[in-house]
Amino acid sequence: DTGVSQDPRHKITKRGQNVTFRCDPISEHNRLYWYRQTLGQGPEFLTYFQNEAQLEKSRLLSDRFSAERPKGSFSTLEIQRTEQGDSAMYLCASSPQGAGTDTQYFGPGTRLTVL
Amino acid sequence: GQQLNQSPQSMFIQEGEDVSMNCTSSSIFNTWLWYKQDPGEGPVLLIALYKAGELTSNGRLTAQFGITRKDSFLNISASIPSDVGIYFCAGGFNAGGTSYGKLTFGQGTILTVHP
Repeated sequence: DTGVSQDPRHKITKRGQNVTFRCDPISEHNRLYWYRQTLGQGPEFLTYFQNEAQLEKSRLLSDRFSAERPKGSFSTLEIQRTEQGDSAMYLCASSPQGAGTDTQYFGPGTRLTVL
Repeated sequence: GQQLNQSPQSMFIQEGEDVSMNCTSSSIFNTWLWYKQDPGEGPVLLIALYKAGELTSNGRLTAQFGITRKDSFLNISASIPSDVGIYFCAGGFNAGGTSYGKLTFGQGTILTVHP
């Protein structure tokens, strides 16, 4: 049983460029979550999917951010026109449906640096 | 966004000592989770608690879900050098076993263990 995987692990980009991150959840998990974590803080919720439906978006998810999960399996998070304030660790997590849906398992994260 | 109040912020202990950290919230949760995070990696789930008053162990780790549903604590007994890392509490809310989705995280407790 493989865990949650994320790609890339690190991304360095220049301000104004677009970036896209990918997350592959644990195979039998139908819920997928995106969080952002800045240095010295705990993860902050961005959005989550149940299958292909995006059920909740945080106010942190500005118009420049978009997340998709087209086939209910992997998900992508795109940031357009990156700003220096977008520099953070972007974490993906997944959980099963039914009992224990709160039990989220995290991937290794994608560290974004915007120059 | 809202975060849980986690204390202490950091701890420096000798190998073999016991450790205790806690988490409080102004809101109730009906799931409490404890995670450990190493530098540059995603959080790893340690213990999940689903019922007020529940006391759960995982090896040298013991966690309790406060009866008010607004707090939780984590104890580590007989600490070892590999316990070094950042420990996060997280609260979740669900109705009838189905999660509302997001977890709310504390700011973390940085644990340093001296051999």
